[in-house]
Amino acid sequence: DTGVSQDPRHKITKRGQNVTFRCDPISEHNRLYWYRQTLGQGPEFLTYFQNEAQLEKSRLLSDRFSAERPKGSFSTLEIQRTEQGDSAMYLCASSLREKLFFGSGTQLSVL
Amino acid sequence: QQPVQSPQAVILREGEDAVINCSSSKALYSVHWYRQKHGEAPVFLMILLKGGEQKGHDKISASFNEKKQQSSLYLTASQLSYSGTYFCGTERDDKIIFGKGTRLHILP
Repeated sequence: DTGVSQDPRHKITKRGQNVTFRCDPISEHNRLYWYRQTLGQGPEFLTYFQNEAQLEKSRLLSDRFSAERPKGSFSTLEIQRTEQGDSAMYLCASSLREKLFFGSGTQLSVL
Repeated sequence: QQPVQSPQAVILREGEDAVINCSSSKALYSVHWYRQKHGEAPVFLMILLKGGEQKGHDKISASFNEKKQQSSLYLTASQLSYSGTYFCGTERDDKIIFGKGTRLHILP
C-alpha cells in the first residue's frame, strides 16, 4: 500500500491557461474520486470513476473541466481556460469499498 | 445536499471533552467521519451504518441516529494530537458529500 499520489503538489498558472493534474490511486482500488476544497470548506465532490468508467460528474462542474481514467489505473483532471475562481486544492481519493484514501492534493493558484 | 455540522469551531484544553454534531435533511444510510490536519489530506476515522450503532476509535467514538438523521462524534479526554478539522460525510449514490467541517483546537 503505497498510498494515493498526486502530481504536481503545487501549480501556479495565469488566467486562461490550461492545466492538468494526475492522480495515481492505490493499485487494487477500483473507485477513484476527484474533490475540490477551498479554504474553510469541506471537500466538494467533482466526479468519480469505477474502473475506467466515469459514473458521475457534479452539476456544479463546468464544461471546462474534464477527467479521464484510461485503463482504470491513473486519472487526470484537466481544467481549460482557467479562471481565478478555480483556485483551490484538488484532492484525489480512491476506495475499494466505503473508506476513502485521499492523496495530498494539488494546490492550484490562478493569477 | 450537504450535511450541516455544529459547532463550526471548538477550543479546548487538553483533557477536556468535545461533541461534534452532524445532521442531514435527507434520510441517512451511513455517516462517515474524517479528520484533516492543517496542510494535510483528510484521513478516515470511522463509518457508521444505519441501525443506531455506536463505534469507537481510541478515545474518539460516534453515534448514529437514523430516525433523527443525525450523528455525533465524541472526543474524550482530548489530546493535542486531536487538533484539526473534523468532517462528517453522508453517502449518496456511491459518493460522499462532506459538511463544512468543525475546527478543533486543543490547548496544552
